[in-house]
This record gives sequence, structure tokens and C-alpha cells, in this order.
Amino acid sequence: GAGVSQTPSNKVTEKGKYVELRCDPISGHTALYWYRQSLGQGPEFLIYFQGTGAADDSGLPNDRFFAVRPEGSVSTLKIQRTERGDSAVYLCASSLGEGTQYFGPGTRLTVL
Amino acid sequence: GEDVEQSLFLSVREGDSSVINCTYTDSSSTYLYWYKQEPGAGLQLLTYIFSNMDMKQDQRLTVLLNKKDKHLSLRIADTQTGDSAIYFCAEKLSGYSTLTFGKGTMLLVSP
Repeated sequence: GAGVSQTPSNKVTEKGKYVELRCDPISGHTALYWYRQSLGQGPEFLIYFQGTGAADDSGLPNDRFFAVRPEGSVSTLKIQRTERGDSAVYLCASSLGEGTQYFGPGTRLTVL
Repeated sequence: GEDVEQSLFLSVREGDSSVINCTYTDSSSTYLYWYKQEPGAGLQLLTYIFSNMDMKQDQRLTVLLNKKDKHLSLRIADTQTGDSAIYFCAEKLSGYSTLTFGKGTMLLVSP
């Protein structure tokens, strides 16, 4: 498929564990975004990459959250010492330059 | 208060028109978007409007923008049961690349 893909689709982990969430953007899209969607809420911005570098990480809630995009394509969102409050759907989007953002299906993270 | 506000729920009958409303607070919005989210799925882009436009029509969808009142609406003509979903309004501010979303409006279409 030509859309944004995210893996895994569901992740269940225990409090205190480390998790990695992966995003494969649309081929050729230079910009990649991570958002978090809690139950009953709209998506909230976490971090934005233009190429390999994080252009804006002001939405990351604390230093347990980190994201990389080493080759300017695939991105990994990393969460250390997970807490129950981290449970949410993590959405990835990509765009060509600063154009329209296209979203993936999301990863549902549940922290027990 | 919230940057982008939407009513939470709308119920219509199949074949009627649906109008979903959104208000925003920042006058520097450049683009305004409507996304659709079905249960367990990601966000599907429906349409968008540039801030210097008043209206945009795309098949069954009509977007109206009132910049003076900072009000955006999405009209769906001949609503179908397959249109049942949550609809999100989002704004993109001048100088920023990220989107600010409302909490979403759940549209329920009954036969």
C-alpha cells in the first residue's frame, strides 16, 4: 500500500517497561509527525521531523518520550518507564514539505 | 479555553443533510481541515480550505469559512449510514507545521 503504516497495531505492556512504536511514512514524504490521541479527545501533537532532524519536539510530555528518524524515512517513538497515563492511540502522519498531513492507522498502547 | 471547539454529537436520518460546526480562536490560521475517523481506524482527510477562501465544495461536502466569526462548518449532503464516524476539525497556524485538533463530533446516521 501507498499509505502511512504503523506497527504494531496494538501493544500491551506493563508499567515501567520500555516500548518502541514504528512509523513508515508515505514514500517521498519529507515531513513526519507523531500525535497522541487519548480516549474521547482529538489528536495532540508530540513531535515533528523535517528530514532526519526533529524540527519541533515541544509536544513531548516529558523526557521519558523520545523519537528518532535516522535516515529521514522510518521513525521510531520510544517511551521509557511507561506509566498507565501513557495509554492512548499514537498516530503518525507524513506530508510532502509542509503540505497536507496523511495519517496512519495508529498504534493502540495499553499500559497495565 | 480550547483552541478549537466542536459540538460533541450529531444525529441525523439517512438522506438528510448534516452540518458539523467548529470554532477556533487563532486568527493566524492558514489552513483548516476536516478529518474523519471510523472506529479503530486512523484519520482520513476529507477536505481542507485555505484561510482566504469562504467556501469549498467537493462532491457531497461543502465547507464554509467565516473568518470574522472564526467559524468553520462541514455540510454533508444526502448523508449515508457509512458517514457515521467522528469528524475532527483542525487548524494549521501561520509559521507552524503542526495541526491543532478539536475533540471531534460524533455523527450518527440512522436508517
